[in-house]
Amino acid sequence: KNQVEQSPQSLIILEGKNCTLQCNYTVSPFSNLRWYKQDTGRGPVSLTIMTFSENTKSNGRYTATLDADTKQSSLHITASQLSDSASYICVVSEAPNFGNEKLTFGTGTRLTIIP
Amino acid sequence: GAGVSQSPRYKVAKRGQDVALRCDPISGHVSLFWYQQALGQGPEFLTYFQNEAQLDKSGLPSDRFFAERPEGSVSTLKIQRTQQEDSAVYLCASTQREARTDTQYFGPGTRLTVL
Repeated sequence: KNQVEQSPQSLIILEGKNCTLQCNYTVSPFSNLRWYKQDTGRGPVSLTIMTFSENTKSNGRYTATLDADTKQSSLHITASQLSDSASYICVVSEAPNFGNEKLTFGTGTRLTIIP
Repeated sequence: GAGVSQSPRYKVAKRGQDVALRCDPISGHVSLFWYQQALGQGPEFLTYFQNEAQLDKSGLPSDRFFAERPEGSVSTLKIQRTQQEDSAVYLCASTQREARTDTQYFGPGTRLTVL
C-alpha cells in the first residue's frame, strides 16, 4: 500500500526560528509531491507542488525540497511567525493511467509557534 | 464567493439517519474531489469527478456512500444509514483542469458527528 510518513508528529518552536519538516513516501509510480498548510477547522491550502524533475521550490518563507531517488521531501520554514502555527501535510500523487490522479496524504506535522 | 464552499459546516446525526453534504466548487472548475478526514489524520480520498462524470469512486468505504455531480458544478455526498465510524470532516476540493499537477482548492469541510 502506498504510504506517506511525516516527522516529527508535532513541533514547538520560538517565533523567529527556522524549522524543517520531513516527509518519506513509498508511492509509486510517482507523479508529484505537494505540501499543504491546514489551519485548525479549515481546509488545506497548497504551498508547493513539485514534479519528478524539480528538487526545490520556494513560496515566500517556505522552501520545499524533493529527492525522488530516496523518496524524501522536506519543508523548511524560515523566520517563523505566529501565523505559521498549523498542520503541514505532505501529499504524494501517483502517476495516473489517464486524467484522474490519486493522492496519498500524510498525517501531518502539527507546528506550534510560541512568542 | 471566490473559493470552494461547503454546507452545512457542522452536522449531527443519529445513527441510522441519512445525511447529504453539499459542495460548491470554484466556478468553472472541471475536477472535484471528496475526502474524509478523521480526527488527527490526513484526508483520505473518497471519489473524483471530471465535470459530471464520476471517474473514480474507489475510496468510498461502503455502498452507503454515494456522490453525484449531475450538472458538472455542485456536488452532493450522501451517506445512508450513518454509523458512528462515519464521524469525520468531509472535505471537498476542486481544480481548474485535469488534476495532474493542478492546485487543489479545498473547502472548509463539513464536520459530521454521528451519535
